Amino acid sequence: EAGVAQSPRYKIIEKRQSVAFWCNPISGHATLYWYQQILGQGPKLLIQFQNNGVVDDSQLPKDRFSAERLKGVDSTLKIQPAKLEDSAVYLCASSLEIGTDTQYFGPGTRLTVL
Amino acid sequence: AQTVTQSQPEMSVQEAETVTLSCTYDTSESNYYLFWYKQPPSRQMILVIRQEAYKQQNATENRFSVNFQKAAKSFSLKISDSQLGDTAMYFCAPYTSGSRLTFGEGTQLTVNP
Repeated sequence: EAGVAQSPRYKIIEKRQSVAFWCNPISGHATLYWYQQILGQGPKLLIQFQNNGVVDDSQLPKDRFSAERLKGVDSTLKIQPAKLEDSAVYLCASSLEIGTDTQYFGPGTRLTVL
Repeated sequence: AQTVTQSQPEMSVQEAETVTLSCTYDTSESNYYLFWYKQPPSRQMILVIRQEAYKQQNATENRFSVNFQKAAKSFSLKISDSQLGDTAMYFCAPYTSGSRLTFGEGTQLTVNP
């Protein structure tokens, strides 16, 4: 069974530029999560989707971050414009159902904002 | 809101020995789940073990086992026969329905040859 796929693996941009990350969850997984992991910290949830609907985006900085999950499968996370403090690893995870199902993570995208 | 404390920022162990990583958490829920994830230098977050709070029996996965003490809100991870490939950052993460997976700050484990 294929795992969670993410691209790109690495991205370097200048501040005020825009960037987008892509995630493809495990086939059949209804719930998709985006996390931000700053160096030296545990991951922090940014947004959670159930199929193509948003369940929780309370920790998403909506003035610059946006995410969508069209057709309830793939998802994209966008940052526009990027700030220095957005430098982090962005992790995508998926689970079979919302609730207490185990979350499976992708390899992450390491973003560096200069 | 849930809080998670991993009091050991770094630990080291000799290959083939046993090591225990500690985790305490705070939740007002009676039914919840607890996870340990490992994150090696590749940055991929990998599930190590999962425990349902309603189960009294401690979860075991090969060389990994937990000591779950519900009343004390403690969830420690024991790694037996440590291997070099166990070197990673380990995160404790409780989950309650209606909330979100909350990660601790992590414990960096180094297994020395």
